[in-house]
Amino acid sequence: GIQVEQSPPDLILQEGANSTLRCNFSDSVNNLQWFHQNPWGQLINLFYIPSGTKQNGRLSATTVATERYSLLYISSSQTTDSGVYFCAVEPSDYKLSFGAGTTVTVRA
Amino acid sequence: KAGVTQTPRYLIKTRGQQVTLSCSPISGHRSVSWYQQTPGQGLQFLFEYFSETQRNKGNFPGRFSGRQFSNSRSEMNVSTLELGDSALYLCASSLYSLRETQYFGPGTRLLVL
Repeated sequence: GIQVEQSPPDLILQEGANSTLRCNFSDSVNNLQWFHQNPWGQLINLFYIPSGTKQNGRLSATTVATERYSLLYISSSQTTDSGVYFCAVEPSDYKLSFGAGTTVTVRA
Repeated sequence: KAGVTQTPRYLIKTRGQQVTLSCSPISGHRSVSWYQQTPGQGLQFLFEYFSETQRNKGNFPGRFSGRQFSNSRSEMNVSTLELGDSALYLCASSLYSLRETQYFGPGTRLLVL
């Protein structure tokens, strides 16, 4: 099946810093989404972004489908940004596959 | 508008038993998806239902099944529980498909002893 790799696995930031999370995938996909799971386990859908660039407040994402990667940018990080960020892709078999996640810790 | 609700929130079962988990989507949402999250395997897609039909299924054995009712509420069932089925089971709803913004419930934490 498709391989989804996220990097880095862990990220520690000082409040106010910017960061970039990466998601690489091994095959062409119909669908790519980014999720955030907060420290209490609640999962939130951030972006549906099979290609192109989208922005939502301090978060933005870019997917370059032809090169099989997506980037999630966090600007001016806040402690509420802490948690695990997951990338999920939907390959041709329509089975959504998740990466292992990037654990982000933002320190005040 | 009420969010996605899942019941029960916590459950303890023993090996060999079966379990049924329930998910009530946001009003008006017709697509319901289920996910399993474990420390070892991470997040895995179980299945998606739309208009009472299973539209897609992940790579799980037949012990995992589900259904959706006419009011879009969904249930998933796991039969002959194994220790490895201990996990957080998450349900998400969206208007029409998982190719759009999904709204997640708080999850059901299942422990199999």
